[in-house]
Order: sequence, then C-alpha cells, then structure tokens
Amino acid sequence: DVKVTQSSRYLVKRTGEKVFLECVQDMDHENMFWYRQDPGLGLRLIYFSYDVKMKEKGDIPEGYSVSREKKERFSLILESASTNQTSMYLCASKGNTEAFFGQGTRLTVV
Amino acid sequence: GQNIDQPTEMTATEGAIVQINCTYQTSGFNGLFWYQQHAGEAPTFLSYNVLDGLEEKGRFSSFLSRSKGYSYLLLKELQMKDSASYLCAVRDGLTGGGNKLTFGTGTQLKVEL
Repeated sequence: DVKVTQSSRYLVKRTGEKVFLECVQDMDHENMFWYRQDPGLGLRLIYFSYDVKMKEKGDIPEGYSVSREKKERFSLILESASTNQTSMYLCASKGNTEAFFGQGTRLTVV
Repeated sequence: GQNIDQPTEMTATEGAIVQINCTYQTSGFNGLFWYQQHAGEAPTFLSYNVLDGLEEKGRFSSFLSRSKGYSYLLLKELQMKDSASYLCAVRDGLTGGGNKLTFGTGTQLKVEL
C-alpha cells in the first residue's frame, strides 16, 4: 500500500518562528511536491523536486524554501513564519502516472 | 505558465449523471488528471488522460480534447458519497523534468436526494 506521510497533522507556531514540515514517501518516486490549500484558491504549488537535491519553484514560492537530501524525504521550510502562511499544507509524491497525497498539515501561525 | 478553469460549484440529484468541465491553457501539455477530495481529507486519484478521447473507469469517465484544451469528468448513477470537491490538474511537459503538476481551484459537487 502506497504511503506518503507528513510529520504533523496539526501545528501551531508563532510569527517569526522557523518552521519545518516533513514529508516521507515509500514508493521510490522521483517527484515530490508541496502545495498549500486555501478556501476559494484551491491547491497552489509552492515548490517541487524531480530528483534528489533538485528543486523548482512553483507558483507561490515566496517565504518558503525546500530541501531534498534523500529521495524519500522532501522538507518545506518557512524561514520566518507569518500569519498569511496559515493554511493546509499538502505533500504529494508522483511516479510515472498519478500523484499520491499525504494527509496534510494544518498550520496555524499566531 | 498554466491557467486552469473549472466551475466553482455544482448540484445534482442522486442517481443522475453530472459532467464537470475543465479548460486549460498551458505551454507544454503532458497529461491531465482528475482527483476527488472529500472535506478534511487528502485528494485521491480518479483518472488520467494524455491522449484525446474517453477513459472509462466504472461510474467515472474522463474525456480529453488537446486541441480544445478541454476535459470533462462524467459521474454516472450519482450517490450521496460522491459529494466532494473534484480537482482538475495539468502536467507541464516543459518544466522540472516534465513533471510540474498544477491544479485548478476545484468544483464542489453536492449530491441531493
């Protein structure tokens, strides 16, 4: 059974904190993605990676960075969290066809 | 870049058929996906089209016309459990090794008795 695991389901952080969201997949996929999902805006691509140590900006990369040191792990980093980064964050992993999603991390920045 | 459009909301009756449309503009089309997302859950894969035509999978079918930049998802024999958001996603063949995946804002389908 395929699995994409996000480290936290719910997270509350303070403004200005550095935040790490971790995602691990067990399918040996090359491609991994980070999205955020907000009401009325749908899923928006933050960053993606198509190989170890390779990363590409998505549509809304500002305020975020990523790390892909190992194939199975893709980390999203908020360098200095702000209230407008309160959102649902979804990680996805993709092989040749469909993408599989993690359960999501609901991040609240106060 | 990519631009993906879907209707925001649709309502249909249990047992009926509903068609959810998706139009897209992309610089390097390399496949179109449909996902289903129930409230509070992660999206789950429904279908994939890369060539023109209809792909059928049980009660769900998906159609693609690359020349028109158009796809639809057809749901037959609607059930209450089909109430969910349906997301159209396009793969860009020119970016990031041909694997950039961009989603539309989703269509919220409500199935009523």
